[in-house]
Amino acid sequence: RKEVEQDPGPFNVPEGATVAFNCTYSNSASQSFFWYRQDCRKEPKLLMSVYSSGNEDGRFTAQLNRASQYISLLIRDSKLSDSATYLCVAPSDSWGKLQFGAGTQVVVTP
Amino acid sequence: DTGVSQNPRHKITKRGQNVTFRCDPISEHNRLYWYRQTLGQGPEFLTYFQNEAQLEKSRLLSDRFSAERPKGSFSTLEIQRTEQGDSAMYLCASSPLTGTTVGDTQYFGPGTRLTVL
Repeated sequence: RKEVEQDPGPFNVPEGATVAFNCTYSNSASQSFFWYRQDCRKEPKLLMSVYSSGNEDGRFTAQLNRASQYISLLIRDSKLSDSATYLCVAPSDSWGKLQFGAGTQVVVTP
Repeated sequence: DTGVSQNPRHKITKRGQNVTFRCDPISEHNRLYWYRQTLGQGPEFLTYFQNEAQLEKSRLLSDRFSAERPKGSFSTLEIQRTEQGDSAMYLCASSPLTGTTVGDTQYFGPGTRLTVL
C-alpha cells in the first residue's frame, strides 16, 4: 500500500461550483501535511499546510481527520485558474522527507 | 529571483551517456532535496542533504546515481550510463532548518526534464 493515496480524477467542475476530494495516508505518526498545486509540466507549489484539524485560506479549506487518516481539500467558487493537479503530501520521517500522492486532477470548465 | 534554480531545464541524451544536473537552493536554506517525477505520478524522494552532509538516499537511487553538495550551497546530481527508464523530471527543493516543526515547507525549483533516447 502506498503511503499517500489520492483519487486521480479528473474532477470536472463547472466554474463557480465547489469541489472536494480526499487523500488517505498510512503513517499514523505524521503530524503535518501539505497540499501542493502542480500545473502541467511545472514544479509543485505549496498551496496549504495542515498542522492541526484544518486550515482555511480564502476559497480553499483543508481538513484533517486523524482517526480515519485522511485529509480533504475543498475549493469553493472554482475559477478556471484552479485547473491543476493537487498533490497531497505527508512527511515520512523527522527529517522532512516528503511522501507525495500521485495527485488529483481538477478541470474547471466555463 | 531568489527562488530555487535548476540547470539545465531540459536535457536530451543518448542511452549510455552521463548527465549532470545542478540545483541552487534558496540562499541560507540548510536542507536540499532531490526528487524524481514521472508522468502521472507524484514526485518520489531520491536523496537529501543537510548542509554538505548527505543524510539519506532512497532505494530508487541506484549505483549509477550520485549527488553532492560540496560546500553546503549548490548541489549536483549525476546519472552515469543513462537508461531509458531514467527519463523523468528531476526536481530539487530546499527548506530552512528551523528545528521546530516536522516537515518545514519545501520550495521546489522548476526541474530538469531528462529524455533518454
